[in-house]
Amino acid sequence: DTGVSQDPRHKITKRGQNVTFRCDPISEHNRLYWYRQTLGQGPEFLTYFQNEAQLEKSRLLSDRFSAERPKGSFSTLEIQRTEQGDSAMYLCASSLGGDNSPLHFGNGTRLTVT
Amino acid sequence: GNSVTQMEGPVTLSEEAFLTINCTYTATGYPSLFWYVQYPGEGLQLLLKATKADDKGSNKGFEATYRKETTSFHLEKGSVQVSDSAVYFCALSSMDSSYKLIFGSGTRLLVRP
Repeated sequence: DTGVSQDPRHKITKRGQNVTFRCDPISEHNRLYWYRQTLGQGPEFLTYFQNEAQLEKSRLLSDRFSAERPKGSFSTLEIQRTEQGDSAMYLCASSLGGDNSPLHFGNGTRLTVT
Repeated sequence: GNSVTQMEGPVTLSEEAFLTINCTYTATGYPSLFWYVQYPGEGLQLLLKATKADDKGSNKGFEATYRKETTSFHLEKGSVQVSDSAVYFCALSSMDSSYKLIFGSGTRLLVRP
């Protein structure tokens, strides 16, 4: 069990640019979640996948955001035309699924939009 | 909708002091309750959980009891250490929210030697 890994750890980009983050979940986990965390706040749910199917998206996920999990393994989160308000820590988590299955989090990708 | 409310921090304690971090929740149905901890520079880690009323979760000297009558899940530790300094998040998951975690805003704990 190598844990959930996210890449990159940090990303600095200029407003208007596109960015893409990657998440590799724990290998046997079929659920994968994306969260966003801003300073002094708890993580906010963005979206989740059951295998390759994206089952739910938060209202926070504007049309500039898109997430994929093409083969039910790793996932990518893309933000198009970044805005300064997108600056945050983007967290990925995975779980076995089911009602009591705990989420295992990666260390996150910190995005700074200048 | 479902939500979690935590006491605001920071909480500053001396080593070996008693810790309580309050957490209350609003949920329909019967949620599971969790405490996660985030050490500086690290990701969120599950600290403990409880899945039904009156369950007590415990780990590393921390405890929390699922109180349905008061909709609370307060975190306690009898004697804190400097290494416990971190941000603590209370969270819930329930069937009606697809079992995704809903977090409180976090409470920063600072333990001084």
